[in-house]
Amino acid sequence: ETGVTQTPRHLVMGMTNKKSLKCEQHLGHNAMYWYKQSAKKPLELMFVYSLEERVENNSVPSRFSPECPNSSHLFLHLHTLQPEDSALYLCASSPGTGTYEQYFGPGTRLTVT
Amino acid sequence: EDKVVQSPLSLVVHEGDTVTLNCSYEVTNFRSLLWYKQEKKAPTFLFMLTSSGIEKKSGRLSSILDKKELFSILNITATQTGDSAVYLCAFSGYALNFGKGTSLLVTP
Repeated sequence: ETGVTQTPRHLVMGMTNKKSLKCEQHLGHNAMYWYKQSAKKPLELMFVYSLEERVENNSVPSRFSPECPNSSHLFLHLHTLQPEDSALYLCASSPGTGTYEQYFGPGTRLTVT
Repeated sequence: EDKVVQSPLSLVVHEGDTVTLNCSYEVTNFRSLLWYKQEKKAPTFLFMLTSSGIEKKSGRLSSILDKKELFSILNITATQTGDSAVYLCAFSGYALNFGKGTSLLVTP
């Protein structure tokens, strides 16, 4: 599956580090998403971009900063994270927002020490 | 508050059994309901349902939506060990709002 790719696949970072997660979609979609998946919890929506404009920020702390330079690329910049931010971060894309199936990338497993 | 509730949370069956997974929802602006299968990492799409009473099928998997009673079921017949996964139900607004999932283990 190469429709949606994410790098890195695994990341370990200290609480004072700054890192970025990258997502790229090759499907020609107009909408991209960041989700967080923690153990024993449902997938949680973090951010939604439609045509490079952020349309939803689901009360995410400012230590997570998204960037969408074009409709194919999405970044999540991380700084001064907490151990409870350790989770699987999933990127997804869809043709548009609303009634469309979303295609997920493989995720980045983030551990904050 | 919009919410999605899946049941059971976990299930263990033997190969060849038939299973039914449940998803109930309360949403203010329903557009569609989706089912995903998550094995290791990325959820993979199974079905999208928008109309009541119309069954969608893909091989041994099928799903149906009841918009009046606000629930959906996912059936898997003649289960195989490869069906072992977490099955996620979600409804769509701007993005997808997921339930906690049902963890299915199919034993040989």
